[in-house]
Formats: sequence, structure tokens, C-alpha cells
Amino acid sequence: EVQLVESGGGLVQPGGSLRLSCAASGFTFSRYWMSWVRQAPGKGLEWVANIKQDGSEKDYVDSVKGRFIISRDNAKSSLYLQMNSLRAEDTAFYYCARDSTDDGIPLAGHPHDSWGLGTLVIVSS
Amino acid sequence: SYELTQPPSVSVSPGQTATITCSGDELGNKFVCWYQQKPGRSPVLVIYQDDQRPSGIPERFSGSNSGNTATLTISGAQAMDEADYYCQAWDTSTAEVFGGGTKLTVL
Repeated sequence: EVQLVESGGGLVQPGGSLRLSCAASGFTFSRYWMSWVRQAPGKGLEWVANIKQDGSEKDYVDSVKGRFIISRDNAKSSLYLQMNSLRAEDTAFYYCARDSTDDGIPLAGHPHDSWGLGTLVIVSS
Repeated sequence: SYELTQPPSVSVSPGQTATITCSGDELGNKFVCWYQQKPGRSPVLVIYQDDQRPSGIPERFSGSNSGNTATLTISGAQAMDEADYYCQAWDTSTAEVFGGGTKLTVL
């Protein structure tokens, strides 16, 4: 069974930093692109970042470029999101999501076939 | 930036067909997927690549995409289908984009 378990969320002051982790199990982590998607309380979904299987390609939504860094450790089957210079508008549930692939190639449209339960980040003074 | 527009809410009677739309510039040229999210739960993929159903998703869920509009259709909607639904597409200039979401009420 595919499992994605996020951790690392919490309360942080504006301008502060936080590192989120996602522990994956039940599948060969190194064969999949992975993503972070966030959802402000009571609001819609927003894609944040994704990373290729070997970490050689990364992409970010414009609002977090230069502040957030996505990374992975395939030996530990783990995904990370380093969040710096946090702002109030970064307050959200952060989900780890697996990108659907066909033999290692992400499906067109980058659908996410598995999601974690999310971890809540609150940016407030 | 690329934007996807969904109606905020849709209502349907049990057993009837629910239709949720997602609009975007030349959306028919992109692949669209749909997610279902129930309160307090994580999203679940119900349609990918416009009209493909993941294993385990009931046949009453179907999708289409043409022109500027993608559509999620739930034939014979059930009370358990009441949820928020999000469309998602990928664009070369803005990468991944989600629609604002549609709250489906079955009553």
C-alpha cells in the first residue's frame, strides 16, 4: 500500500524557516516524480513544487521561487521542502503527492495518484 | 499566468447527472485531471488525461475536454459523491495549475 506521511509543520514567525519532510513507503520511491501541493484553510489547491526522480530537475510556482527548495533522498525514500522567508500567505496544509508515471515517464498533465494527509504550516507573529 | 475557472457550486438530486466544468484558454490542447476532496480529507484522483479513470474509481465518473472547457460528469450521483472537485492542468509556461474548486451538493 502506498503511504506518504508528511511532518515538520508548525507555527513560525514571518521571515522564519521550516523544513517539511515526507516519508514514502509501499512503492519504489526513486522511480517517481514527486510534488508538494498546498491548501490554505478553507481555500483551494495550489501546486508548489515538483522534482524529478534523480533530483536533476525542479520547478516551483512563481510565488515561492527563491524562497523554497525542494529536494529528495532516494536512499531514505524521503521528500523535503525547505521553506525560507516565510510569509503569512504561506499558511496552509502542505501535501506530499506522487506524480503518476508510465515506466518512469510522468503522465501528460502530471496527475497525482497518491497524496499524504498533509502537515499544517502557520506563519504568524 | 494560466488560469482555470470552475463554478463555485453545483447542486444535483440523487440519481441525476452532475456536470462540473473547468474553463481555460485552449484547454482542449492540454491534458486535464480531476480530484475529489471530502471535508478533512486529502484529494483523490478521479479522472486523469481528460477521460481516464484510475482503478477503484466508479464508472459513474467520466471526463471530457474540448475547446476551452473540460467537463467532469457524475452519472447517477450519490450522496457519497458530495465533495469539492478540482480540475488541474499543466502548462509549459506556468507548470501545474488548479482550478478554484467546485462544491458539489447532492440533495
